[in-house]
Amino acid sequence: GAVVSQHPSWVICKSGTSVKIECRSLDFQATTMFWYRQFPKQSLMLMATSNEGSKATYEQGVEKDKFLINHASLTLSTLTVTSAHPEDSSFYICSATSGYNEQFFGPGTRLTVL
Amino acid sequence: KQEVTQIPAALSVPEGENLVLNCSFTDSAIYNLQWFRQDPGKGLTSLLLIQSSQREQTSGRLNASLDKSSGRSTLYIAASQPGDSATYLCAVLGSSNTGKLIFGQGTTLQVKP
Repeated sequence: GAVVSQHPSWVICKSGTSVKIECRSLDFQATTMFWYRQFPKQSLMLMATSNEGSKATYEQGVEKDKFLINHASLTLSTLTVTSAHPEDSSFYICSATSGYNEQFFGPGTRLTVL
Repeated sequence: KQEVTQIPAALSVPEGENLVLNCSFTDSAIYNLQWFRQDPGKGLTSLLLIQSSQREQTSGRLNASLDKSSGRSTLYIAASQPGDSATYLCAVLGSSNTGKLIFGQGTTLQVKP
């Protein structure tokens, strides 16, 4: 199957700093990437849908100025958590698709904000 | 609004048992349904994807069925092994072509040696 990578796999930062997470499709061109977050013992919650070359579409309740998404190429999308706070600590997972049939998921990034 | 429910939330079985995980969804207008496995602290591994026109898919000891009209899917695991211990998530892709997957809360499976 198609491979999606995320970097970093984990990050610890101080409150108030910004953190950037990368999502890459390694062997296919991803027209659309999705960003999810997952709190402990909970399921995945979709944060936003990102199409290459256009602005991301955010789900209700997700602050677009807090979670900046850039999808500058067909193989890379980035999520920047700005002015991170402890409540932003979570597991962030991206997925990528070249159509809408099947999404391929990255391994996730564990963010801990102190 | 599509809602996906998984029952049970947790399951513990002895090694070797056959077991069934359940997934139900409220809107039958789906494009496909997918079962995933997630190990603690890890990402998702796709197990089986069933298109809306299909009734079932099989991979090794796994068999997933889909009854779209009743809004149900089951994941059957034969001859369970301790290595099957993980959280199993089902997700549906709506036919509205937004590309959004709606996930269930998952079933956490423990297979005891």
